[in-house]
Amino acid sequence: GDSVTQMEGPVTLSEEAFLTINCTYTATGYPSLFWYVQYPGEGLQLLLKATKADDKGSNKGFEATYRKETTSFHLEKGSVQVSDSAVYFCALSDRGGATNKLIFGTGTLLAVQP
Amino acid sequence: GAVVSQHPSRVICKSGTSVKIECRSLDFQATTMFWYRQFPKQSLMLMATSNEGSKATYEQGVEKDKFLINHASLTLSTLTVTSAHPEDSSFYICSARGQGAYEQYFGPGTRLTVT
Repeated sequence: GDSVTQMEGPVTLSEEAFLTINCTYTATGYPSLFWYVQYPGEGLQLLLKATKADDKGSNKGFEATYRKETTSFHLEKGSVQVSDSAVYFCALSDRGGATNKLIFGTGTLLAVQP
Repeated sequence: GAVVSQHPSRVICKSGTSVKIECRSLDFQATTMFWYRQFPKQSLMLMATSNEGSKATYEQGVEKDKFLINHASLTLSTLTVTSAHPEDSSFYICSARGQGAYEQYFGPGTRLTVT
């Protein structure tokens, strides 16, 4: 079945460092890809998404490019801030599915130190 | 816009009792709601999908008689954990989606502890 694999955390960075969180997927068909962020004590929020190959999703300085050839959707940010500390989830959704169910990776905890 | 709330945010109950968790869409009509379970340091696992006015569709391995889901209105879905046991302790998260929409909006979650 469809699945998402993302790098294990925690990832600990100093403020202004470059961030990469790797995400790869396995899917039949052509899924949509998402990054969600979960701040402490809050629900998941959609960070960015891409619906087809070579699309780049971006938001709040974060970017991810849908790479069909490598089945990847790595999350990047050029300069992280303490406020970016959160758990980041990579997810996919089968656009052709009747319910558009989301399948999540295990999440990566990012801790940014001042 | 697109706010989803859950109540309670945390609940402690004794083994053998039942507990109800509410999920509300505050500013849109949610034709579809999803219930997830999140274990510590693990991903969200979809438990069931419910459409307003219809019976919920449960994922494989989820006991529908134990996790009762009701989606009686376009703004409210409830998850009732019946005869709860310590192994049911977990973080339960709902999400909601409007008619014709693609994006799901997530509630803040409910921490259930069964003693």
